[in-house]
Amino acid sequence: GNSVTQMEGPVTLSEEAFLTINCTYTATGYPSLFWYVQYPGEGLQLLLKATKADDKGSNKGFEATYRKETTSFHLEKGSVQVSDSAVYFCALSENRDDKIIFGKGTRLHILP
Amino acid sequence: GAVVSQHPSWVICKSGTSVKIECRSLDFQATTMFWYRQFPKQSLMLMATSNEGSKATYEQGVEKDKFLINHASLTLSTLTVTSAHPEDSSFYICSARGGTGSSYNSPLHFGNGTRLTVT
Repeated sequence: GNSVTQMEGPVTLSEEAFLTINCTYTATGYPSLFWYVQYPGEGLQLLLKATKADDKGSNKGFEATYRKETTSFHLEKGSVQVSDSAVYFCALSENRDDKIIFGKGTRLHILP
Repeated sequence: GAVVSQHPSWVICKSGTSVKIECRSLDFQATTMFWYRQFPKQSLMLMATSNEGSKATYEQGVEKDKFLINHASLTLSTLTVTSAHPEDSSFYICSARGGTGSSYNSPLHFGNGTRLTVT
């Protein structure tokens, strides 16, 4: 079945550091890929998405490129801020069943 | 943008009682809503897919008689935790895809979650 694997956290970085959170997936078809972010005490909100191979999703300085050859969708940001501290979820959705499958989430702490 | 409202945001109940959680799409119609349970180490588990006007589809291992889902209208789905026990304490989150023309490519819009504590 479909699955998403992302790096385990927590990840702790200093402000202005470069961020990478790895995400790989397993799917039988051609899924759409998403990154969601969850701030403390809140539900999830969409950060970015990509719907086909080589697409790059971007938002708020974050980027992720849909790599079909490596089945990956790594999240990157060039210079993180304290306000980026949150839990980040990689997810996929495939046409055949309409569900969104989430990775286990990666908690990010940014130190001032 | 599409807004999903979830109520209550937190609830404390005694063991053996039932608790109802509401999920509303405020500015769009949602034929399908999803209910997730989030565990303490942040893992998000899909419990069931709620379909307007029909029975919910439960994921393997989720007790349908324990977690009753009703999707009576295009803007409202409810999750009722029946005969709650302390092990049901968790963070429950609903979500929906937004509006006409949405598909598997469309992102989910999430409610802010409900913290359930069973004493």
